[in-house]
Amino acid sequence: RKEVEQDPGPFNVPEGATVAFNCTYSNSASQSFFWYRQDCRKEPKLLMSVYSSGNEDGRFTAQLNRASQYISLLIRDSKLSDSATYLCVVNSYGQNFVFGPGTRLSVLP
Amino acid sequence: EAGVAQSPRYKIIEKRQSVAFWCNPISGHATLYWYQQILGQGPKLLIQFQNNGVVDDSQLPKDRFSAERLKGVDSTLKIQPAKLEDSAVYLCASSLIRDQPQHFGDGTRLSIL
Repeated sequence: RKEVEQDPGPFNVPEGATVAFNCTYSNSASQSFFWYRQDCRKEPKLLMSVYSSGNEDGRFTAQLNRASQYISLLIRDSKLSDSATYLCVVNSYGQNFVFGPGTRLSVLP
Repeated sequence: EAGVAQSPRYKIIEKRQSVAFWCNPISGHATLYWYQQILGQGPKLLIQFQNNGVVDDSQLPKDRFSAERLKGVDSTLKIQPAKLEDSAVYLCASSLIRDQPQHFGDGTRLSIL
């Protein structure tokens, strides 16, 4: 089993739709979690950290379920500019960040 | 605040040749990472430095890859000799301390012919 797995995608959604991505991780000792966004032929950029209590940033909501070892990212009211690959990242303190393979999102007009 | 600087942006070489990449992290960032990202995959860590010391190089193919960060600031990653499967984007990232979110450079796109 891979350390970090994500929905394979791609997701093709119309503008204004709500879309959710899931990510599972195998290391139960994992402590910190992040979502990164990567545009085509660009570098990954931090979208948001994921906290145990869940957190929201505008149209983006991240949730963490430690018992089931998964995190999720919800995007409401999708915009064309949300089209990108979304990378799930998991870290255990003192160890390394592990990136998932990414889920590609295309928001269609 | 200046971001992570990498050069070159693109490199095309033939197999068995050598290549080197350079990275200058964000000022004050103690931790520096080199990642390899193959098309369609997430970044894979090659090596992590804390100041000028190596923290983790377990996934670095040491028979052909080497990296250094002699003064604890900028870093170079070298491949010698290159293989076809080394075609990828090589990303450098830095963070203030370990376990903090990383900031990435633009990457170097390497093509091996």
